[in-house]
Amino acid sequence: DTVLTQSPALAVSPGERVTISCRASESVSTGMHWYQQKPGQQPKLLIYGASNLESGVPARFSGSGSGTDFTLTIDPVEADDTATYFCQQSWNDPYTFGAGTKLELK
Amino acid sequence: EVQLVESGGGLVKPGASLKLSCVASGFTFSDYWMSWVRQTPGKTMEWIGDIKYDGSYTNYAPSLKNRFTISRDNAKSTLYLQMSNVRSEDTATYYCTRDRIYRYNYYFDYWGQGVMVTVSS
Repeated sequence: DTVLTQSPALAVSPGERVTISCRASESVSTGMHWYQQKPGQQPKLLIYGASNLESGVPARFSGSGSGTDFTLTIDPVEADDTATYFCQQSWNDPYTFGAGTKLELK
Repeated sequence: EVQLVESGGGLVKPGASLKLSCVASGFTFSDYWMSWVRQTPGKTMEWIGDIKYDGSYTNYAPSLKNRFTISRDNAKSTLYLQMSNVRSEDTATYYCTRDRIYRYNYYFDYWGQGVMVTVSS
């Protein structure tokens, strides 16, 4: 299975720029997607196909990357962005998720 | 408004069977592939499998293929997950998701609120 590696946690101040990384154990082309999950809620789609912003998601969120290295950027970060962010790949079978990066606001 | 509402979870004993349901509304259910995804208490996310819009094809994570079965009833806009011979490691929150495709890649654009399954004697 394709293993997706994310850093476990980040802490930033409101107004700053934050990048959350996801590294795949093998190429996933641009088959990488990002989700936000707030405590007690279901995940919410942010980015699909590595860099496409889902409708209704603020333009503060952006995604980039291809192959094995991907980044989710939030700029500027707002207090409401406190959440865990998961990457998910669908290029290789079975689909797999990263362990999530918990974003905290200082 | 797209809504996915799961039900059927609860406390079950090891070795038992359980069937989860997910009722969809707000979109044409029979037009979409659907998936089940689970999240363990430690927050690990695992894709279980998916089913084609007409129910003619299913695909599973290899580790779960022999015990889990996904089906659907398009007349009832309902997705199902039949779980058999459950184990303690099946304890998780189970989500149904609507699938979308972009350049041959599937992702999950809507998620239900989730249903908890606890496997314990």
